[in-house]
Amino acid sequence: KAGVTQTPRYLIKTRGQQVTLSCSPISGHRSVSWYQQTPGQGLQFLFEYFSETQRNKGNFPGRFSGRQFSNSRSEMNVSTLELGDSALYLCASSLDSADGNYGYTFGSGTRLTVV
Amino acid sequence: AQTVTQSQPEMSVQEAETVTLSCTYDTSESDYYLFWYKQPPSRQMILVIRQEAYKQQNATENRFSVNFQKAAKSFSLKISDSQLGDAAMYFCAYMYSGGGADGLTFGKGTHLIIQP
Repeated sequence: KAGVTQTPRYLIKTRGQQVTLSCSPISGHRSVSWYQQTPGQGLQFLFEYFSETQRNKGNFPGRFSGRQFSNSRSEMNVSTLELGDSALYLCASSLDSADGNYGYTFGSGTRLTVV
Repeated sequence: AQTVTQSQPEMSVQEAETVTLSCTYDTSESDYYLFWYKQPPSRQMILVIRQEAYKQQNATENRFSVNFQKAAKSFSLKISDSQLGDAAMYFCAYMYSGGGADGLTFGKGTHLIIQP
């Protein structure tokens, strides 16, 4: 059974550019969540998508957005990149995040560096 | 808002020994889930163990067990017979059972070193 796949693994962008990260969840999983991991702030919840709808959102500016497709694959977009956006972005999938019994399976993340 | 605190930035243990990682949390909810995740250098977060707050019995998964003290809002992880492969960052996490409105709330992590 394939795990959660995130692409690309590494990315270097320039300030002001935009970036799109991709996440393919485990087959059958309908919930996809995104997290930002930095040395200073730790792991922070960005948003969660379920059945193509954003269900929950963390405390991040509107430059951070996402979407989910009918096959549950999700993309995350960051516009007008800032140096502080440099981080490891982790995607997690679950059958349904409303029930913690299902648990979350994480991908290996995308390491974004903004220069 | 809920918070999760891991007071040990780094722990070191000899191979085959037992180590306990501490975690405390703060929430006004009575029904929630608690998790321990492991993040090795490969970066992937791996679920180690899960506890439902309404269950009195402490969760156990092979060499991993928790000491869940709901009144004290404490959730420690005990690793028995430590192995070299246990070396990683360990994160304690909380999630409200009424829906993931805030997703998982993580602690800052504990770096576990296994001495051969």
